[in-house]
Amino acid sequence: NAGVTQTPKFQVLKTGQSMTLQCAQDMNHNSMYWYRQDPGMGLRLIYYSASEGTTDKGEVPNGYNVSRLNKREFSLRLESAAPSQTSVYFCASSITGVGYGYTFGSGTRLTVV
Amino acid sequence: RKEVEQDPGPFNVPEGATVAFNCTYSNSASQSFFWYRQDCRKEPKLLMSVYSSGNEDGRFTAQLNRASQYISLLIRDSKLSDSATYLCVVNIQTGANNLFFGTGTRLTVIP
Repeated sequence: NAGVTQTPKFQVLKTGQSMTLQCAQDMNHNSMYWYRQDPGMGLRLIYYSASEGTTDKGEVPNGYNVSRLNKREFSLRLESAAPSQTSVYFCASSITGVGYGYTFGSGTRLTVV
Repeated sequence: RKEVEQDPGPFNVPEGATVAFNCTYSNSASQSFFWYRQDCRKEPKLLMSVYSSGNEDGRFTAQLNRASQYISLLIRDSKLSDSATYLCVVNIQTGANNLFFGTGTRLTVIP
């Protein structure tokens, strides 16, 4: 049982380049999330998808777009990468509803130069 | 704005010691509470949920005080393997499962 799988694990981009971070879960969860983690800032929610077909902005959505491709997959796109987007990105999934914890993927370490 | 506040530590304790972490949250309407553990360069993993009546899982005890908006985690008989960062987590959006993560408290257990 793989849980939440993220690809790639590492990426270096030049300023202005675009890329898509992929996330897939095999736990039949309805809700999926994208967070970024920066030193001293903790995890901050970028976008979330409460269920297939819906997406909503989180705390720090600027510079990002998302696609909930199907129930399993939730991708995060950087259209024009900036050095401020250098971070560790985590995808997570959960059962829909209050009270359920998240299962995280292993993260993508992104550096924008 | 600090939705969740934690003492960043670090806490350096000897093996076998008891250590307690505290956390305060700002939204009185928060409905769910968790402690997560994060090892260096790894993803956060759910340690335990926190219930109003308090709950225990082996050496770990979590407590919630809704009146004071305060959550605690007690670790008894610390092991070297307990060394990690402990994240206090609270849902902040009424009716939704969006979780807010504290910045974490770093624990190092010393032999």
